[in-house]
Parts: sequence; C-alpha cells; structure tokens
Amino acid sequence: DTGVSQDPRHKITKRGQNVTFRCDPISEHNRLYWYRQTLGQGPEFLTYFQNEAQLEKSRLLSDRFSAERPKGSFSTLEIQRTEQGDSAMYLCASSRGTSGLETQYFGPGTRLLVL
Amino acid sequence: GQQLNQSPQSMFIQEGEDVSMNCTSSSIFNTWLWYKQDPGEGPVLLIALYKAGELTSNGRLTAQFGITRKDSFLNISASIPSDVGIYFCAGPLAPNSGGSNYKLTFGKGTLLTVNP
Repeated sequence: DTGVSQDPRHKITKRGQNVTFRCDPISEHNRLYWYRQTLGQGPEFLTYFQNEAQLEKSRLLSDRFSAERPKGSFSTLEIQRTEQGDSAMYLCASSRGTSGLETQYFGPGTRLLVL
Repeated sequence: GQQLNQSPQSMFIQEGEDVSMNCTSSSIFNTWLWYKQDPGEGPVLLIALYKAGELTSNGRLTAQFGITRKDSFLNISASIPSDVGIYFCAGPLAPNSGGSNYKLTFGKGTLLTVNP
C-alpha cells in the first residue's frame, strides 16, 4: 500500500497562468476527494468523485476550477487564470466503500503559490 | 464556513505531561474524527468515533464522542516530542444540517508544542 500520492508537491506560478495538479489514490479506492487548506485553517472540501463520476462540488469551486477522474483512478485538478487568492495547499484524499463513513486517507498535498 | 470550534488554539507543554483538547459544534455530527498534521504533510487519521458516548483509545490517545453529538475531546497522555503538530477534529455534518457523509468539515486545529 503506497498511500495517496500527489504531484507536484510545490508549485509557484504567476497570476493568470493555468496550473494542473495530479492525485493518485490508494489502489482500489473508489472515492476520491479534493480539499483546499489555507494558512491557519483546516482543510475545506472542494469536490469528490465516486469512481469516474463527480458527485458533489463545493461553492468554493469557482468556474476557474475543474476536476476530472477520467478512468476512475487518478484525478487532476486544474485552476485556470490563477489569482493570488488561490494560494493554498491542495489536498487529495481517497477512501473505499459505499456508506460514506469510511476513512479518508490524505495525500501530502500540493502547495501552490501564486505571485 | 467551518462549523467546528476547537480549543485551545495552541498549547505549549513539557514532555511527559498530559494534554487535552476539545471540539464543539452547534450542529450535530454522526461521526467525529481526529487527525494530526505535520508541517508540509497531509492530515493523518488518529481516531474515529461513530457512536454518541463512544470512548476509544489508540495507544496514548483517547477520544470521546459527546452524548449530544455536538462535541468531542482528545486526550494525549505522557506527551513526547514527536507529538508536536496540529491536531484537527473533523466530521461529516448530519444531512439534516446540510451535510453529507462524504464531505468532511474540519476545525481550525490545535497547535501542540512539546518541550523536551
């Protein structure tokens, strides 16, 4: 079990650029989640997938954000036209089950800095 | 916004001391989770509580699910330097409070510093 992995771990970009992050969940985990964490705060839910279907999106996920999980395995989170307010840690988590009460295992995160 | 209130915000203790932190909410939670986050890493699950009144231990950690389903506490006994980090309570808001089983709500965390 290799755990949830995220790539890159760090990203510095200029305002207005597009960025894409990747998350590889634990093998055979059918659910995948994206959270955002700013300094001094706990993670905040952005969206989640069950297999390849995106089932819930937070109002925090503006139209500049898009997430995909095309084959029900890895997922990508893209931010278009980045703004300084997008600077945060983007965390991915995965779980296995059907009840929704199963444990979510988090990856190490991608820290984004928008200059 | 976040609906979990954690206290204290930070703690500075000596190695060997016991620690207690808690989490309260105005909304009902069906599950309470305690995570620890080290700098630059993702949160790691410490303890999960699924029933009101439940008391669960994991080594030196003990947590309880409040009987009102609106609070939880975490105790750490005989602290050691590697206990340093940020401790978060989290849980899915009950559906009748606008939540879902899949969407975790986190508190702001308690920063623990242990002096050797």
